[in-house]
Amino acid sequence: ETGVTQSPTHLIKTRGQQVTLRCSSQSGHNTVSWYQQALGQGPQFIFQYYREEENGRGNFPPRFSGLQFPNYSSELNVNALELDDSALYLCASSFVGGRAADTQYFGPGTRLTVL
Amino acid sequence: AQSVAQPEDQVNVAEGNPLTVKCTYSVSGNPYLFWYVQYPNRGLQFLLKYITGDNLVKGSYGFEAEFNKSQTSFHLKKPSALVSDSALYFCAVSLISGGYNKLIFGAGTRLAVHP
Repeated sequence: ETGVTQSPTHLIKTRGQQVTLRCSSQSGHNTVSWYQQALGQGPQFIFQYYREEENGRGNFPPRFSGLQFPNYSSELNVNALELDDSALYLCASSFVGGRAADTQYFGPGTRLTVL
Repeated sequence: AQSVAQPEDQVNVAEGNPLTVKCTYSVSGNPYLFWYVQYPNRGLQFLLKYITGDNLVKGSYGFEAEFNKSQTSFHLKKPSALVSDSALYFCAVSLISGGYNKLIFGAGTRLAVHP
């Protein structure tokens, strides 16, 4: 098991609501990345945070936003939820962002269901 | 476009037999390649990675992977499969863009090991 934790484990929301997911990085890691894994698909990169700044984003709309705190924990916020946002959301931490060789260690994920 | 392909949705193998899970990639420049495993209702666990050097990479739980530059492949292997190896396996390539790195995943291959 990695030292990456996520909360909550499961969440059910209705369309149009807002949600906040939380992630605690592995000790010593200062970079957090978030991924969305729809059912039957591989994870898709949402964005990455390094030293409390977003330093990269995938093909996701602005209603997906995030924060990283001084202790390197992180939040993913999604506004105006849509049915297609139903997925497993994965947080991954790594030692330093911006290096292709760095291993990203994943948490157990948060299963979001939008009704 | 830079991508990863896993041509098999599912691989079936008898316990004790060797297993291979296939992965091909399409990237510009030197590839940084990873294998992750996902058990039901769990996050992704890191198995191994190829950065440079020896084409045969050894990883966790007896898994290894062979990098073949001419065939742009990075197949996952294990000499003797266990029933407990049954899971979903993802191949990924790590890409640098600006100041961040992201993982691009294949669609995944479900491995079923039968007693």
